[in-house]
Amino acid sequence: GQQVMQIPQYQHVQEGEDFTTYCNSSTTLSNIQWYKQRPGGHPVFLIQLVKSGEVKKQKRLTFQFGEAKKNSSLHITATQTTDVGTYFCAGMGFMDDKIIFGKGTRLHILP
Amino acid sequence: KAGVTQTPRYLIKTRGQQVTLSCSPISGHRSVSWYQQTPGQGLQFLFEYFSETQRNKGNFPGRFSGRQFSNSRSEMNVSTLELGDSALYLCASSFRAVTDETQYFGPGTRLLVL
Repeated sequence: GQQVMQIPQYQHVQEGEDFTTYCNSSTTLSNIQWYKQRPGGHPVFLIQLVKSGEVKKQKRLTFQFGEAKKNSSLHITATQTTDVGTYFCAGMGFMDDKIIFGKGTRLHILP
Repeated sequence: KAGVTQTPRYLIKTRGQQVTLSCSPISGHRSVSWYQQTPGQGLQFLFEYFSETQRNKGNFPGRFSGRQFSNSRSEMNVSTLELGDSALYLCASSFRAVTDETQYFGPGTRLLVL
C-alpha cells in the first residue's frame, strides 16, 4: 500500500539556523499538504501543493513538490523559537483517494 | 467563526467497553474526517464523511465506525475497546473534501483505555 516516509524524525537546531524536512511517497501523489502541530496542540494546516515542481513560500517557509510528485520538502530559513513543533506532510493518493500522513519531524530550537 | 469542537476532551474507559466521540465542524463545512494519533503510529486516517455519506475509509478494523448527521455533526464509535485504542482522536472539517483543500482540526479527544 501507499506509504509516506518523512525524515528526519527529530531535528535540533540553533536559533537562526535553517531547517529542512523531507517527505517521500512510494506512489505518485495527486497533492500533498503540510501541517504544523505545536506541543499539546492540534495540527494546523500550512499549505497544499498540487502541481509538479511547484514551489510556494510563506515568509520564512519554502515548500516544494517534486517533479515526479512523489516527494516534497519544507525548508525554514533562520528558525525562531516560535517554529518549535512537529511538522507533518500528508499525501493524497492518485488511485485510491486516501490521505496518508508522514510520521512527522519534531523540531527543537536551541536558544 | 467558531472552530471545530470535539467532545468530550478526555475519556477513560476499560477494555471491552464502547465509546462515542462527537465532532462539530466549522459552520458551512460539509466534510468531516477522523484521525487517530499515537506516539508510535503518528496520525492515521480513519474515515471521511461528506453529506452524511462515508466517502473514504482508512485501514482500521470494523470496530471503528462513524456517522454524520444532516447538520454535518459527526460521531465516531469504537466498540469492544482494546488497550491499543488509547490515543488522541482528532476530527477535521473542510468545506468540500479532505483531499482537495484545507482541513481545520479540532482539539481532539484523548482516550485512555485501561
